[in-house]
Amino acid sequence: NAGVTQTPKFQVLKTGQSMTLQCAQDMNHEYMSWYRQDPGMGLRLIHYSVGAGITDQGEVPNGYNVSRSTTEDFPLRLLSAAPSQTSVYFCASSWGNEQFFGPGTRLTVL
Amino acid sequence: GQQLNQSPQSMFIQEGEDVSMNCTSSSIFNTWLWYKQDPGEGPVLLIALYKAGELTSNGRLTAQFGITRKDSFLNISASIPSDVGIYFCAGYFNNDMRFGAGTRLTVKP
Repeated sequence: NAGVTQTPKFQVLKTGQSMTLQCAQDMNHEYMSWYRQDPGMGLRLIHYSVGAGITDQGEVPNGYNVSRSTTEDFPLRLLSAAPSQTSVYFCASSWGNEQFFGPGTRLTVL
Repeated sequence: GQQLNQSPQSMFIQEGEDVSMNCTSSSIFNTWLWYKQDPGEGPVLLIALYKAGELTSNGRLTAQFGITRKDSFLNISASIPSDVGIYFCAGYFNNDMRFGAGTRLTVKP
């Protein structure tokens, strides 16, 4: 079991560029979610999915899109990156209320 | 939205000392969770609490789900150097999970 995997580990973008952060899990969990972590603010929920084909917004969804075509994958898209999106992004999948986190993607937007 | 207040923000303790940290909220949660995060890693679940008043232990860690469902605490007994890290509380309600800002723990040998 690889658990939750995320790619890339690091990324630098210019303002206005687009990119997709990848997340995959091999635990057959229905619930997956994306968080961003900023200094002194803990983790904030961006989007989540309760199963393939179903997504919903979290606390800070603006500027991000998600889709869930399979149980395993839950990519996060930034359509036009902004410096305010500089952060560390964590993907998680859940069994019940217990979430398992990936190793994170550190994104810098210049 | 629901906000979690976690305290203290940071702690500097001697190896062997006990540690206590807590989280409070203005809203109720039906699950409280405590995570630890090491540098460059994602948070790892330490303890999950599902019922008001529940007291649960995991080795040297003990956590409680407050009776009002608006608070939780985590105790670490006899700290060791590998306890260093950031500890987060999290509250879960209706598919929404909120995290505290974290408690950064430093353990001096």
